[in-house]
Amino acid sequence: EAGVAQSPRYKIIEKRQSVAFWCNPISGHATLYWYQQILGQGPKLLIQFQNNGVVDDSQLPKDRFSAERLKGVDSTLKIQPAKLEDSAVYLCASSLAEGPNTGELFFGEGSRLTVL
Amino acid sequence: AQSVTQLDSQVPVFEEAPVELRCNYSSSVSVYLFWYVQYPNQGLQLLLKYLSGSTLVKGINGFEAEFNKSQTSFHLRKPSVHISDTAEYFCAVRKRGGGADGLTFGKGTHLIIQP
Repeated sequence: EAGVAQSPRYKIIEKRQSVAFWCNPISGHATLYWYQQILGQGPKLLIQFQNNGVVDDSQLPKDRFSAERLKGVDSTLKIQPAKLEDSAVYLCASSLAEGPNTGELFFGEGSRLTVL
Repeated sequence: AQSVTQLDSQVPVFEEAPVELRCNYSSSVSVYLFWYVQYPNQGLQLLLKYLSGSTLVKGINGFEAEFNKSQTSFHLRKPSVHISDTAEYFCAVRKRGGGADGLTFGKGTHLIIQP
């Protein structure tokens, strides 16, 4: 079974530029999450989708971050304009809404962003 | 809301010695509990999870954890560590019942295995 796919793996940009990250969840997983992991810290939830609807975006800095999951499958996370403090690994995860493995999130390898 | 406290940011252990990584959580609702491991430049990999039933859960690579509801703890243990266990370990909780149920992570514990 293919895992969660993310791209690009690495991105270096200058502050005030924009960047976009893409995620393709495990086939059949209705729920998709974006996390931000700053060096030395645990991942922090940015946004949760259920199919193509937003369930929780309470921790998303909406003045510069946006995310969409238009067809309920893959998702894009955008940052515009980027700040130095946005340097982090952006992790995408997916899960089944229900079933025997309810509870477990499956993570991609992440997209590492460096803002100069 | 939930919160997770990992009491040790770093734990150095000699190879083949036992180890315990401590995790306490706070939540006003019932939760699932998880331990994830992260090797350098890799994503998060599930070690083990507590959903229900027996409070002692066994995971991959010889790890186990015990859920203690009264102490709101979920400590991770391994009887004999190997050099390959060097990694960052994250404890996490997830609200039961769907809805806004993203994982809440602790800050992580860096396990350092010394030869």
